[in-house]
Amino acid sequence: GQNIDQPTEMTATEGAIVQINCTYQTSGFNGLFWYQQHAGEAPTFLSYNVLDGLEEKGRFSSFLSRSKGYSYLLLKELQMKDSASYLCAVMDSNYQLIWGAGTKLIIKP
Amino acid sequence: GAVVSQHPSWVICKSGTSVKIECRSLDFQATTMFWYRQFPKQSLMLMATSNEGSKATYEQGVEKDKFLINHASLTLSTLTVTSAHPEDSSFYICSARSTSGGQQETQYFGPGTRLLVL
Repeated sequence: GQNIDQPTEMTATEGAIVQINCTYQTSGFNGLFWYQQHAGEAPTFLSYNVLDGLEEKGRFSSFLSRSKGYSYLLLKELQMKDSASYLCAVMDSNYQLIWGAGTKLIIKP
Repeated sequence: GAVVSQHPSWVICKSGTSVKIECRSLDFQATTMFWYRQFPKQSLMLMATSNEGSKATYEQGVEKDKFLINHASLTLSTLTVTSAHPEDSSFYICSARSTSGGQQETQYFGPGTRLLVL
C-alpha cells in the first residue's frame, strides 16, 4: 500500500532551526510537496522536489532522497507565525497526491 | 502564484437543505480540481477528483449522489451537498492543479468553506 509518515507534533524555540522529516512508500513517484496549514485555514504551497538534493527558498529548505524514500523540511530563524501544521504529500504514478497526516509545529518564545 | 477562490467561506444551514460551494481558478486554467474535507484536528481527506467536461471520480466511501460535483469549465467546479445533515458539518477545501506544461503539477488550494448544519 501507499504510506506517508511524518511526526505528529514537534516543538521548537523562536529563532532556532527545526527539521521535519517525511518518509514515503508509494506506487511511483512524480515529486514531493510540502504545504503549510495554519489552524482553520487551507494549506498553502511551500515547496516541490522531484530530483535529489536540497531546494532553498528563503528561511525554508526542502531536501529529497528518492533512493531512501525520504524528505525533510528545514525551517530556519523560526518565528511565532511559523506555528502551523506542515503537510508532506507525494505525487504517485497516476499524478495523484498521497497526503501525510501532517506535523503540528509549536513554536515557543 | 496561482490563485484559487472559494465561495462562500461560511455556510450555516438547516438539516435537509442543499448547499452549493463554488471553486474558481482565477489566473490559470485547471483541467483537474479536487475536493477535500477536513474535520477538526484531522488530516485532509480527498473526496473526489473532478476533470473538466467529465464525471467526477469519487473516493471510496464518498456518496456521489449526496456530494454532486460539476466541472463545467476550466476555471469553475462546484460541490453541492444535498440534503445536508449535522454530520456533514466540516471544512470543505477545493484545490486546482496548474498544468503549465512542465513536470510540476502543483495543487493550489482555495481558502476553504466552513459548513455548519443545524
